Amino acid sequence: DAGITQSPRHKVTETGTPVTLRCHQTENHRYMYWYRQDPGHGLRLIHYSYGVKDTDKGEVSDGYSVSRSKTEDFLLTLESATSSQTSVYFCAISDSAAREPRQPQHFGDGTRLSIL
Amino acid sequence: GQNIDQPTEMTATEGAIVQINCTYQTSGFNGLFWYQQHAGEAPTFLSYNVLDGLEEKGRFSSFLSRSKGYSYLLLKELQMKDSASYLCAVRDYSGGYQKVTFGIGTKLQVIP
Repeated sequence: DAGITQSPRHKVTETGTPVTLRCHQTENHRYMYWYRQDPGHGLRLIHYSYGVKDTDKGEVSDGYSVSRSKTEDFLLTLESATSSQTSVYFCAISDSAAREPRQPQHFGDGTRLSIL
Repeated sequence: GQNIDQPTEMTATEGAIVQINCTYQTSGFNGLFWYQQHAGEAPTFLSYNVLDGLEEKGRFSSFLSRSKGYSYLLLKELQMKDSASYLCAVRDYSGGYQKVTFGIGTKLQVIP
């Protein structure tokens, strides 16, 4: 299995509080992604990173920020959590398609976040 | 941007064959993936297509037509454990970097 660890696995917090989710990889892959998954919407891309300090927005980036200061870590921050951000969050990693075109994304086990 | 469409739900009988379709629109196509996701678990990789044609992998096959923006996943000899969601995902290059976008997923129920 690909070495991806998400922490925490579960979190309950209150509206207005800051929340940071961590994704840690041991595969030295270039690309890292944050998705949220909600019933009726599937997996939606929040932000992704194509290298250290290199990130870009996905389709649902409002209310979220990310940072990647090391190859192995990709952090997702909710500056002021809202109830609409209650979701399951998945981190994924992949190598460069130029180097390994057939290699898929590998997913972490997910973080279940509830905002009350 | 991308638009990926697949049916929301399907039901099939144990031992039968089922085909799950996926259509997409993208400007920098660089591969299509199928994933399986059991309830409460992470998605796991099933198949990959980048050229037109059929890729076979045991009971699972995946087909791609780039000119039509169309793919399907074919599951043969269905087993109860195949009850899961099947996600179609398209990789493209956005500003020179790869991005992967998922369809909503097709929830397959296999019945005896």
